[in-house]
Amino acid sequence: DAKTTQPTSMDCAEGRAANLPCNHSTISGNEYVYWYRQIHSQGPQYIIHGLKNNETNEMASLIITEDRKSSTLILPHATLRDTAVYYCIAKSGAGSYQLTFGKGTKLSVIP
Amino acid sequence: GAGVSQSPSNKVTEKGKDVELRCDPISGHTALYWYRQSLGQGLEFLIYFQGNSAPDKSGLPSDRFSAERTGGSVSTLTIQRTQQEDSAVYLCASSLAGSGANVLTFGAGSRLTVL
Repeated sequence: DAKTTQPTSMDCAEGRAANLPCNHSTISGNEYVYWYRQIHSQGPQYIIHGLKNNETNEMASLIITEDRKSSTLILPHATLRDTAVYYCIAKSGAGSYQLTFGKGTKLSVIP
Repeated sequence: GAGVSQSPSNKVTEKGKDVELRCDPISGHTALYWYRQSLGQGLEFLIYFQGNSAPDKSGLPSDRFSAERTGGSVSTLTIQRTQQEDSAVYLCASSLAGSGANVLTFGAGSRLTVL
């Protein structure tokens, strides 16, 4: 699995877009980029994933650079309930299936 | 079921006792995972099942920890002779684990406190 690097923490004003970066410069062609988040005292929650193309769902958008060496998770209108630790993971679809969670980014949404 | 169900949600036990934690995955999910999270720490992978077999047990911290899965469904994580350092939230997840992307769905966890 490719190593991912994320900032330790970020702040975002309520109602503004939260842009969370992730670096995965050694990602291979068959590795997906996954984003999960963990709100305090809860199990991790899947947000979105992508391979090459940008993706959007009801929770967020995922922008992957053309060279796939980095990506950005966008929460378009952050709310206080989006305060959580956000994990970026690069993982192929083959072989062993468990995901390795790093330290993630602690996002604090501020009123 | 609609989601991954774990029981008990909270367990307090005395040092030296055995405990069993149960995970009921999403119906049809072939893969099942156990993680643990100590207070203020990250998620630590313990074991993963594909069907009833466990191709990866690399994360089990000691031989006091064991897990089984029966009928390709429910899994039980057993901790024998519990120690205080076993106190943590034990999280279970399941997925379809086919080719392509593999999305894990987590349960709410079982909080274990060893006195």
